[in-house]
Amino acid sequence: KNQVEQSPQSLIILEGKNCTLQCNYTVSPFSNLRWYKQDTGRGPVSLTIMTFSENTKSNGRYTATLDADTKQSSLHITASQLSDSASYICVVSARGSTLGRLYFGRGTQLTVWP
Amino acid sequence: EPEVTQTPSHQVTQMGQEVILRCVPISNHLYFYWYRQILGQKVEFLVSFYNNEISEKSEIFDDQFSVERPDGSNFTLKIRSTKLEDSAMYFCASSPKGQNTGELFFGEGSRLTVL
Repeated sequence: KNQVEQSPQSLIILEGKNCTLQCNYTVSPFSNLRWYKQDTGRGPVSLTIMTFSENTKSNGRYTATLDADTKQSSLHITASQLSDSASYICVVSARGSTLGRLYFGRGTQLTVWP
Repeated sequence: EPEVTQTPSHQVTQMGQEVILRCVPISNHLYFYWYRQILGQKVEFLVSFYNNEISEKSEIFDDQFSVERPDGSNFTLKIRSTKLEDSAMYFCASSPKGQNTGELFFGEGSRLTVL
């Protein structure tokens, strides 16, 4: 069964600190993995998209890694800001499926305190 | 910056009533999608739409759901006879291309509450 699991479920950090969020998936055959940021009551916003051949990808203070062999990904946030408080969702696509047929994780709820 | 817009932002309806959720995708996009997110749960794929027909639908998208692109700008999701379990946030998304690695742009969502 195609599933995406994320950990931790929630995380509280102080402003300026770094953090790493984890994602494990069983989606097969794998096509690509995305990280989205979702503010409360808003739609998800894309942070990164990684294909099978990509191990790491950065977008500003966000760095995503992918290990397609172990089917794991991480999202590292550097020098956190209050505006980073949001849910971070790992989303995986299977090869051969249409673009929108995505498998979502439950998300990690990140809270950044001043 | 172009964005996907959804209306209404919140709708409250009685069980058994029909509901239409509206979306205006980004103007040059060709592929359209609906997702739902029950409170505290994962976002779930409902349906993808291209060239005026459904490309793919999930097991959630049963006969009570339908989608339509009635004109050149709107993309609608109709729920024929709402149930309590249809209460959720419904997200519309669009993309310019359909390849699997393409970028998806989500709207802000429409919150549906069924009483």
